[in-house]
Amino acid sequence: DAGITQSPRHKVTETGTPVTLRCHQTENHRYMYWYRQDPGHGLRLIHYSYGVKDTDKGEVSDGYSVSRSKTEDFLLTLESATSSQTSVYFCAISTGTGDTEAFFGQGTRLTVV
Amino acid sequence: AQSVSQHNHHVILSEAASLELGCNYSYGGTVNLFWYVQYPGQHLQLLLKYFSGDPLVKGIKGFEAEFIKSKFSFNLRKPSVQGSDTAEYFCAVLLSGGYNMLIFGAGTRLAVHP
Repeated sequence: DAGITQSPRHKVTETGTPVTLRCHQTENHRYMYWYRQDPGHGLRLIHYSYGVKDTDKGEVSDGYSVSRSKTEDFLLTLESATSSQTSVYFCAISTGTGDTEAFFGQGTRLTVV
Repeated sequence: AQSVSQHNHHVILSEAASLELGCNYSYGGTVNLFWYVQYPGQHLQLLLKYFSGDPLVKGIKGFEAEFIKSKFSFNLRKPSVQGSDTAEYFCAVLLSGGYNMLIFGAGTRLAVHP
């Protein structure tokens, strides 16, 4: 498996609280992605990064922010968690060159109560 | 907006039946195409990928897919499914025109029964 670690793996939080999820890679890949997975919706792209301090919005970015201060870490922050953000969050990495694919982390199950 | 459509949300098959899962995308530029599989409780794993060359690509576990550029399609096939193929399957498109945005379809949940 590619060197991707997501933390925490499980979290329960209250509505209105801030939450930060971390994705850490040891592969030195340029591209990093955050997705949420919900039944019937597949994986929807939240934000992605194409380099240190270079990020862009995905399909469902409202209510989320990201930061990438170094190559290996990509943080996803819910500034004020809502119940609609209860989901499984996956991080992915990719070199973005050649014929390489994206590799996925194990996921973080977030429950907002 | 760019999108990926998977036509079947749930598919139920008997062992040894043939499988075809549809995938269409809407994007006029250069794309790279993928099929991923997610077994229950696990993360996504790559089945196969298309970047260029032969539009018929073969992947792991006997899966193959055909890229038809004129139809914006990348359908997944397997001649004979097994119970171990029970999983959720996702089509994904890498949009290479900008910053390598990678988007997924909604997934197809496959159940294979004896």
